[in-house]
Amino acid sequence: EAQVTQNPRYLITVTGKKLTVTCSQNMNHEYMSWYRQDPGLGLRQIYYSMNVEVTDKGDVPEGYKVSRKEKRNFPLILESPSPNQTSLYFCASSWKPGYEQYFGPGTRLTVT
Amino acid sequence: GQQVMQIPQYQHVQEGEDFTTYCNSSTTLSNIQWYKQRPGGHPVFLIQLVKSGEVKKQKRLTFQFGEAKKNSSLHITATQTTDVGTYFCAGPLTGGGNKLTFGTGTQLKVEL
Repeated sequence: EAQVTQNPRYLITVTGKKLTVTCSQNMNHEYMSWYRQDPGLGLRQIYYSMNVEVTDKGDVPEGYKVSRKEKRNFPLILESPSPNQTSLYFCASSWKPGYEQYFGPGTRLTVT
Repeated sequence: GQQVMQIPQYQHVQEGEDFTTYCNSSTTLSNIQWYKQRPGGHPVFLIQLVKSGEVKKQKRLTFQFGEAKKNSSLHITATQTTDVGTYFCAGPLTGGGNKLTFGTGTQLKVEL
């Protein structure tokens, strides 16, 4: 079954404690993205990757890091989380940037 | 600031009424995609429009892409309770590289 998986689905952490949210897709897609969703603001792209070892900033990259060492995986790293990063995060993949995006189930992060 | 706005932000309708959401960009879009997110779920791709002035239909849903490729609309005829959710437009902004920009979303509630 074609899918995008994310882990964990829920995470409560404290300010400054480094965390990683994993994302994996099994469709051999080249393009992968991370989004955060906040009420009234829709989905905002954090980082995206065109292919292995090729990553670039989206609209809200501050406070986040990503890596793309393998085509299927695209982890999101928060080196020092802060309360303003409390949000719902989605990973997505597609063949190319302008093509249909397949979304993961989401990760709800709370930073206290 | 947000470059792709959707109106209205919320809409309550009685089952059987029509519904329209409008998507407006400050910059031209290479193409426009529409997604639906059910409550508690993740965005799911509905359709993509590429050409200026393009109109596509999916059963009770009609999608339009503006002549100037800066706006789009989604119209649902005779809403049903299964239409409940948040509808997002999205697209690559011309000159925005490989970023994908989502609209702010319209939340639809359908009452019996």
